[in-house]
Amino acid sequence: GAVVSQHPSWVICKSGTSVKIECRSLDFQATTMFWYRQFPKQSLMLMATSNEGSKATYEQGVEKDKFLINHASLTLSTLTVTSAHPEDSSFYICSARDRGRGYEQYFGPGTRLTVT
Amino acid sequence: AQSVTQPDIHITVSEGASLELRCNYSYGATPYLFWYVQSPGQGLQLLLKYFSGDTLVQGIKGFEAEFKRSQSSFNLRKPSVHWSDAAEYFCAVGPYSGAGSYQLTFGKGTKLSVIP
Repeated sequence: GAVVSQHPSWVICKSGTSVKIECRSLDFQATTMFWYRQFPKQSLMLMATSNEGSKATYEQGVEKDKFLINHASLTLSTLTVTSAHPEDSSFYICSARDRGRGYEQYFGPGTRLTVT
Repeated sequence: AQSVTQPDIHITVSEGASLELRCNYSYGATPYLFWYVQSPGQGLQLLLKYFSGDTLVQGIKGFEAEFKRSQSSFNLRKPSVHWSDAAEYFCAVGPYSGAGSYQLTFGKGTKLSVIP
């Protein structure tokens, strides 16, 4: 139980285009989802927190117009990287919190984004 | 601001040997502490957590960790390492907001290699 999936697992896009990453909780309802960014040999950096049906809360320094987050249902959150640039290339990881299981976060496998 | 330090970037141990991964945190109140393991292509999996009570915490896969407030440490240990334990290990600290959600601050991770 408590499985979180991400799609796609790997994506390459051209500079200037937009890319959407999906995060799904497969066997539980996720009232809260988190989006992280991980650079090579670095820790996970929290980008934003999203609660179902409300606007995401972005961390300081994260451009909310560039990283659009939608949490339209209790099992799906999406991160759209708009007008991607090579510096946006990174590993993006989502996690989801199942209120019924306490306060643990369950992590997806991550999405590798490469912008050329 | 809270922070987590994992002093060892890469550790190599022989299979069957004991293991200790170090984690030091900086936090102004009683911390909530976690250890996660990340294998290639896999999401972060929670090994164990400390919220309160007994300072020696048992986790999955034979891991344990000890919370030492005086040293601001939460080191992860395993008495006998298996080849399948080779992975990246992350220590994290998080406050409990009381609103049913919390944010995690991660260390940079320690990569564990196991020699057969």
